[in-house]
Amino acid sequence: AQSVTQPDIHITVSEGASLELRCNYSYGATPYLFWYVQSPGQGLQLLLKYFSGDTLVQGIKGFEAEFKRSQSSFNLRKPSVHWSDAAEYFCAVGAGGFQKLVFGTGTRLLVSP
Amino acid sequence: DTAVSQTPKYLVTQMGNDKSIKCEQNLGHDTMYWYKQDSKKFLKIMFSYNNKELIINETVPNRFSPKSPDKAHLNLHINSLELGDSAVYFCASSQGVANYGYTFGSGTRLTVV
Repeated sequence: AQSVTQPDIHITVSEGASLELRCNYSYGATPYLFWYVQSPGQGLQLLLKYFSGDTLVQGIKGFEAEFKRSQSSFNLRKPSVHWSDAAEYFCAVGAGGFQKLVFGTGTRLLVSP
Repeated sequence: DTAVSQTPKYLVTQMGNDKSIKCEQNLGHDTMYWYKQDSKKFLKIMFSYNNKELIINETVPNRFSPKSPDKAHLNLHINSLELGDSAVYFCASSQGVANYGYTFGSGTRLTVV
């Protein structure tokens, strides 16, 4: 069965510093991969998605992610973090004939002044 | 215009009661989902409907009964509420299968006391 691992439960980054959140997936074929962000008390918002083609995907709010098949990874990056980026970040993979998304356990991003 | 709206946003109730959560989407999507997010932020799919037809039922206790009167609405009724049902319940929608990602509602925080 498809699965997603986000190895970091929480990460603290200084404002203005770069960010990389890790995501590893398990899936036999080419996966459909997603990153979502959840601000406190809010629903999940889609940041970006990968289906095929260019392995570097650009998303909203200045985020990007790179698909690396050899490492089964889809890490999320941002060159300069803003305090408003503090939130919970979820990686997800299409599963079950893509009838559903399976989510990782999330990484909480804290931004220090 | 809220794309996926859930009501109520908060629900506090006693054990043994029956309650319902409503979800409506105005995106024209044909597939809707219920996810449960536990206290550790883990997101797990419960149900999915495509054009009013149940396509996913993930080993959820039969106290939970979804209903989709049309493709724009998906409601969740819960009988005989238990303490362990306390969680945030998210509704989401997509066009077709989940390939292109979900649009989430803002969630319903259910607290059973």
